Amino acid sequence: QQQVKQSPQSLIVQKGGISIINCAYENTAFDYFPWYQQFPGKGPALLIAIRPDVSEKKEGRFTISFNKSAKQFSLHIMDSQPGDSATYFCAGSSMDSSYKLIFGSGTRLLVRP
Amino acid sequence: DAGITQSPRHKVTETGTPVTLRCHQTENHRYMYWYRQDPGHGLRLIHYSYGVKDTDKGEVSDGYSVSRSKTEDFLLTLESATSSQTSVYFCAISAQGYGPEAFFGQGTRLTVV
Repeated sequence: QQQVKQSPQSLIVQKGGISIINCAYENTAFDYFPWYQQFPGKGPALLIAIRPDVSEKKEGRFTISFNKSAKQFSLHIMDSQPGDSATYFCAGSSMDSSYKLIFGSGTRLLVRP
Repeated sequence: DAGITQSPRHKVTETGTPVTLRCHQTENHRYMYWYRQDPGHGLRLIHYSYGVKDTDKGEVSDGYSVSRSKTEDFLLTLESATSSQTSVYFCAISAQGYGPEAFFGQGTRLTVV
């Protein structure tokens, strides 16, 4: 059972554009929603995370928008740069499940110069 | 990078042989996890540990076992490797607390021939 669905699988954006990646979750017990960034040959690294008690969180050029009623959340990358080219994973976890992360299938982002 | 070391980083093994992957942390974090990463599937949880000698199964635990005899070490064993276990394996750690960040190791690329 896939508990977190992520789209699109791949995304190509021009430098300076906005990259948008969407995720939907099924488990209403999730109370922590992180986004991870992964470069080739490296492990995933936390980019930004949100809790369900807020609808938006912004850190620099990265923003998470969260819609609890729709069970959806999205990552927006403003002013996308070639250095943002990586694979992005959304995830969900809950306090009562030892913080196990359930990941989406990933989005490969390419930012063209 | 957080103090996580995975070994080996690369391994080629034959079908039917046992294989053990090691994750070593220097952060004294309570939780440790093993994930596998396959194209189109994101990262899937194999097993996790919430303390010394306390482990539990994840989404894809069949064919794998784990042990944690010390806080700093979490071992993943493939009892009899199969080609379907060819993957990149990531260890992750997190501290106790609400919405903790999970830190990932660099990964182990395992090929079963």
